[in-house]
Amino acid sequence: DIQLTQSPSSLSASVGDRVTITCRASQDIRNDLGWYQQKPGKAPKRLIYATSSLQSGVPSRFSGSGSGTQFTLTISSLQPEDFATYYCLQHNSYPRTFGQGTKVEIK
Amino acid sequence: LLLQSAGGLVQPGGSLRLSCVASGYSFSTYAISWVRQAPGKGLEWVSTISGSGGNTDYAESVKGRFSISRDNSRNTLYLQMNSLRVEDTAMYYCATTYDTGFDPWGQGTLVTVSS
Repeated sequence: DIQLTQSPSSLSASVGDRVTITCRASQDIRNDLGWYQQKPGKAPKRLIYATSSLQSGVPSRFSGSGSGTQFTLTISSLQPEDFATYYCLQHNSYPRTFGQGTKVEIK
Repeated sequence: LLLQSAGGLVQPGGSLRLSCVASGYSFSTYAISWVRQAPGKGLEWVSTISGSGGNTDYAESVKGRFSISRDNSRNTLYLQMNSLRVEDTAMYYCATTYDTGFDPWGQGTLVTVSS
């Protein structure tokens, strides 16, 4: 199975900050990685797929980059509604696997 | 839109069937999956079924105990869960499935396995 390791596990940031979350895969997954946002008590929502393709309706302050085994989610200017937990997902092979999550909290 | 059934409390060793009704798109065209989340934990893929229902896949943790199926005439996805364990306690989500991941997701169904 492909293991995904996210870092950091949590972070504190202020509105307007630039935030970067990293996801490392245990083997080469080309660009087959997505990012999901989950708010407390809600279902996850897809933000990005295929490393850098923005889901329809998702603000452009969210962006993704990387390839192979190293991937990054960047929020260019953190907004109040962005405080949530973020997960990466590899869609290269089954079983599909998620990173352990990164909780973004208000500083 | 994916609308999930209510969950429930079941004893260890018991069974439960979850359902997920889709609307607003051509249900039979797309694969669909179950993903779960134990309380306070991360996301875990459980199972996927192809659009026709002819192909299925399961996580090792549920293989042989859970069975995924779909009724395309009713736009409905099912998860039959047998031999339930305490560690199966989780919120279960259905999610339309593409080669590029899961979207959209249902609202979730809470399953509690406890004596």
